Amino acid sequence: GENVEQHPSTLSVQEGDSAVIKCTYSDSASNYFPWYKQELGKRPQLIIDIRSNVGEKKDQRIAVTLNKTAKHFSLHITETQPEDSAVYFCAASRAGGFKTIFGAGTRLFVKA
Amino acid sequence: NAGVTQTPKFQVLKTGQSMTLQCAQDMNHNSMYWYRQDPGMGLRLIYYSASEGTTDKGEVPNGYNVSRLNKREFSLRLESAAPSQTSVYFCASSEFKHGELFFGEGSRLTVL
Repeated sequence: GENVEQHPSTLSVQEGDSAVIKCTYSDSASNYFPWYKQELGKRPQLIIDIRSNVGEKKDQRIAVTLNKTAKHFSLHITETQPEDSAVYFCAASRAGGFKTIFGAGTRLFVKA
Repeated sequence: NAGVTQTPKFQVLKTGQSMTLQCAQDMNHNSMYWYRQDPGMGLRLIYYSASEGTTDKGEVPNGYNVSRLNKREFSLRLESAAPSQTSVYFCASSEFKHGELFFGEGSRLTVL
């Protein structure tokens, strides 16, 4: 069945450094790839998404890249700040489908 | 707008007891979902409702039932709770077939 693998499970960076989280997916029909941020005790919230007709998308300090051939996509956070500390989830869904399959999550710590 | 509201926020059950988690959204979304979140396993889809009057199984439907009462409300029922169902449950809704998910605040369920 569909599967999304996410690495690393934990990431610790110094404030101001960059953070990269990587995901791979198994369903070649997937064409929508959102990223959600979940702060401690809060609900997940969408921070950026990308569709398969685009290779890269950027929103201020956050960027996502997609390699459909390799079935990889990544989240890049530059100039990290303490408020970026949270759990980040990648996800994938296919065209015409309602199922969004999530990765296991990456806990990001940004040290001041 | 309240967005997605789910109740109760916390619940403790004994093995074999039943309960219903309630979810309502005021964004006029067609699709609604129930996810469970367990440490190290991300968010797993239990059931979803593509539109009013339809429901379908997700990744982990065993032990659960759902009802799409109307366009606003989507409930999740545990008929005979088991300790393996101890989890945080999130209801979500989306406007488009595969687009941003809007999550409720979560319901923490403990089964003893």
